[in-house]
Amino acid sequence: AQSVTQLDSQVPVFEEAPVELRCNYSSSVSVYLFWYVQYPNQGLQLLLKYLSGSTLVKGINGFEAEFNKSQTSFHLRKPSVHISDTAEYLCAVSVRSGGSNYKLTFGKGTLLTVNP
Amino acid sequence: DAGVTQSPTHLIKTRGQQVTLRCSPKSGHDTVSWYQQALGQGPQFIFQYYEEEERQRGNFPDRFSGHQFPNYSSELNVNALLLGDSALYLCASSPKSGRPNTEAFFGQGTRLTVV
Repeated sequence: AQSVTQLDSQVPVFEEAPVELRCNYSSSVSVYLFWYVQYPNQGLQLLLKYLSGSTLVKGINGFEAEFNKSQTSFHLRKPSVHISDTAEYLCAVSVRSGGSNYKLTFGKGTLLTVNP
Repeated sequence: DAGVTQSPTHLIKTRGQQVTLRCSPKSGHDTVSWYQQALGQGPQFIFQYYEEEERQRGNFPDRFSGHQFPNYSSELNVNALLLGDSALYLCASSPKSGRPNTEAFFGQGTRLTVV
């Protein structure tokens, strides 16, 4: 069975500083990887996804992530954060689970707090 | 495009009661998945519906049941509510099953509080 580990439950940073949110996964089969952002009292918005090809994936709002198969990681980065980036960030893996069905397995999330 | 819409947005129920949550998928999507997100946790997969049938199910008891209608909208029913069922319930829609969840769109969620 697949699982996702987000190593940091909270990450506080100052505005305009770089940030990296860590995500590791375990799966015995090929995976598709995602990062979602969740603002307070809202649903999830897709930031970026890795399906195949280039291991460096660029997403919305200046975020990017790098897929590292040997380290089973998919860390999220941003070179300069803004106050508006304060939110919960969720890493997820999508794996085929019977027939042609897929489902998302999420990590517990990392709360990014950007301070002025 | 209205995206994924869920109703109601908030709900308070008493232990032992039953609740029904509703979801309308994004236009062009026919697969609906439900997730439970407890406070401080990531979303947990409950089940997925496609062609009006439950296609896969997560580790949730039979008190959790669902339905999909011909227009692809879906309901999540929870019977005999427990305090531990308090959570944000998220609905996600995606195009026809058979592709990876490359385009899973989430609704705003329904916040269920059981007292």
